[in-house]
Amino acid sequence: NAGVTQTPKFQVLKTGQSMTLQCAQDMNHNSMYWYRQDPGMGLRLIYYSASEGTTDKGEVPNGYNVSRLNKREFSLRLESAAPSQTSVYFCASSISRRGTLGGYTFGSGTRLTVV
Amino acid sequence: KNEVEQSPQNLTAQEGEFITINCSYSVGISALHWLQQHPGGGIVSLFMLSSGKKKHGRLIATINIQEKHSSLHITASHPRDSAVYICAISGGGADGLTFGKGTHLIIQP
Repeated sequence: NAGVTQTPKFQVLKTGQSMTLQCAQDMNHNSMYWYRQDPGMGLRLIYYSASEGTTDKGEVPNGYNVSRLNKREFSLRLESAAPSQTSVYFCASSISRRGTLGGYTFGSGTRLTVV
Repeated sequence: KNEVEQSPQNLTAQEGEFITINCSYSVGISALHWLQQHPGGGIVSLFMLSSGKKKHGRLIATINIQEKHSSLHITASHPRDSAVYICAISGGGADGLTFGKGTHLIIQP
């Protein structure tokens, strides 16, 4: 009963440290997304990958990089963490670009605190 | 510019009440999504709508494409329905979803 698996679930970083958030899906979805969720704001798109081999910036890409390692995996990297990146991060996938077929499936989230 | 607006932001009701959450959007879409998030939890997709009405158990979602408006109804509400309900749109000219800020629902016993 997998779907979208995110690791880690919790992380505390010091300012300037780096880390990679991992995301994997087992539904053979083509498109994958990284969102961040902050209090009082809707989820915002950081980066997405419409298909294997492609990645594009979303609304709030600064300070992040991504890798679409293969069809299953899409990782998000913080090269030099800042307190402004304290947030809850969600990975999602959809079978088609823009989710018009079958909707979206979300991971359980990564709660990241940068001190 | 907020493309997706939800109301109310917060709603507290008694068990058994009929609940309505509204969502308005300002762009053309291919689909509208209703999502549920329990405190500290992940996000679960409830409905994806492109027209008309869908029902799943005690939940009903409707959409009026001409008026760019959708509603989520909960009948015979129960404390376990307490969660944040999020409206999101897809196909509005951007990849991925564009989200509303969510409605925080509390159902008291």
